[in-house]
Amino acid sequence: DTAVSQTPKYLVTQMGNDKSIKCEQNLGHDTMYWYKQDSKKFLKIMFSYNNKELIINETVPNRFSPKSPDKAHLNLHINSLELGDSAVYFCASSRATSNEQFFGPGTRLTVL
Amino acid sequence: AQSVTQPDIHITVSEGASLELRCNYSYGATPYLFWYVQSPGQGLQLLLKYFSGDTLVQGIKGFEAEFKRSQSSFNLRKPSVHWSDAAEYFCAVGAHQAGTALIFGKGTTLSVSS
Repeated sequence: DTAVSQTPKYLVTQMGNDKSIKCEQNLGHDTMYWYKQDSKKFLKIMFSYNNKELIINETVPNRFSPKSPDKAHLNLHINSLELGDSAVYFCASSRATSNEQFFGPGTRLTVL
Repeated sequence: AQSVTQPDIHITVSEGASLELRCNYSYGATPYLFWYVQSPGQGLQLLLKYFSGDTLVQGIKGFEAEFKRSQSSFNLRKPSVHWSDAAEYFCAVGAHQAGTALIFGKGTTLSVSS
């Protein structure tokens, strides 16, 4: 009965590679988000989508591209990975009528 | 500028003692306030939230928080801490509108001593 799930939980890769993180929510929410938590545990919004449409696109390198195939999924694709991309990435979702956000378990990305 | 300040980076409390974690915010509109908890290696779990109504809100795991508009604060409290409460606690503020960003504080690490 997982509400917001992410795969993989851990991702270790080399610089320059391309990788994707998948997020799915079974809460029936219309809005989904990606946050990045850096090594100091600071959380910052990257993107938000409402019904598959991009709402927020923070100052994030264009190597990061979110894709929402349907309103239950929001995947994050990262091209040409850099050392500084190492972080924990959290997916979240909320109803269309509220900003109460429910978070997934996170994906710890390590770039070597 | 919109921001959240959690003045205490690390707090140690004895098991059974009371706890208060401080949170101050700066937000231009009516704030929607949250406390989340992150256990080691885990995701963020919502403890409680406040948007309107009674300024003292109850959450899960015996936590409560009080909204004080005049002080721009939303402090988290628990009367008796359990060892399992050891975790990272984040205060966040945002608009009520879905799709908008939550702005997080830098977190407070809670350690519980026996």
